[in-house]
Amino acid sequence: DIQMTQSPSTLSASVGDRVTITCRASQSISSWLAWYQQKPGKAPNLLIYMASNLENGVPSRFSGSGSGTEFTLTISSLQPDDFATYYCQQYNSDYTFGQGTKLEIK
Amino acid sequence: EVQLLDSGGGLVQPGGSLRLSCAASGFTFSSYAMSWVRQAPGKGLEWVSAISVNGDNTHYADSVKGRFTISRDNSKNTLYLQMNSLRAEDTAVYYCVKVRYSSLSYFDYWGQGTLVTVSS
Repeated sequence: DIQMTQSPSTLSASVGDRVTITCRASQSISSWLAWYQQKPGKAPNLLIYMASNLENGVPSRFSGSGSGTEFTLTISSLQPDDFATYYCQQYNSDYTFGQGTKLEIK
Repeated sequence: EVQLLDSGGGLVQPGGSLRLSCAASGFTFSSYAMSWVRQAPGKGLEWVSAISVNGDNTHYADSVKGRFTISRDNSKNTLYLQMNSLRAEDTAVYYCVKVRYSSLSYFDYWGQGTLVTVSS
């Protein structure tokens, strides 16, 4: 089974900051990686697919990069609506989610 | 507009059974793979199961293999998850999710979730 490890688990930042979340796969998954945003009490929402493709309707301040085993999600300038929990997911072999990164207001 | 309406959750005793349903609308249900994802209270997301467009190919997480069965009825635009031999650790919100394509791919739409509580 493929394991996904996100870091950090919690991230404190301020509006306007640039933040980066890292996701590492236990083996190569090429670019078969997605990122989701989840707010409390709500279902997750797709942000990025194929490691770097922005889903329709997602603000351009979100971007993804990486391939193989190391991936990043970057938010270029944090907005109040971005404080949430973020998950990476591999879909190279079945599915595995990372443990999540909670983005908090500093 | 794509809509996924999860239902069937509730309180069940350990060892019991429950069947979840997901009524889909707003897209051609029979053209897309579907899946279930769960989230225990205060925890992260865990993939549970997935099914191909015609139901002949199914996948399960090791944690539910042999106890859960995913199925679909394309004539009714409905996805199911039959859960048997339930354990306390199966307590979670269960989400029905639509896969972007007909084969293994990422999830582009999620249901609102249905809560399953396994407790005596």
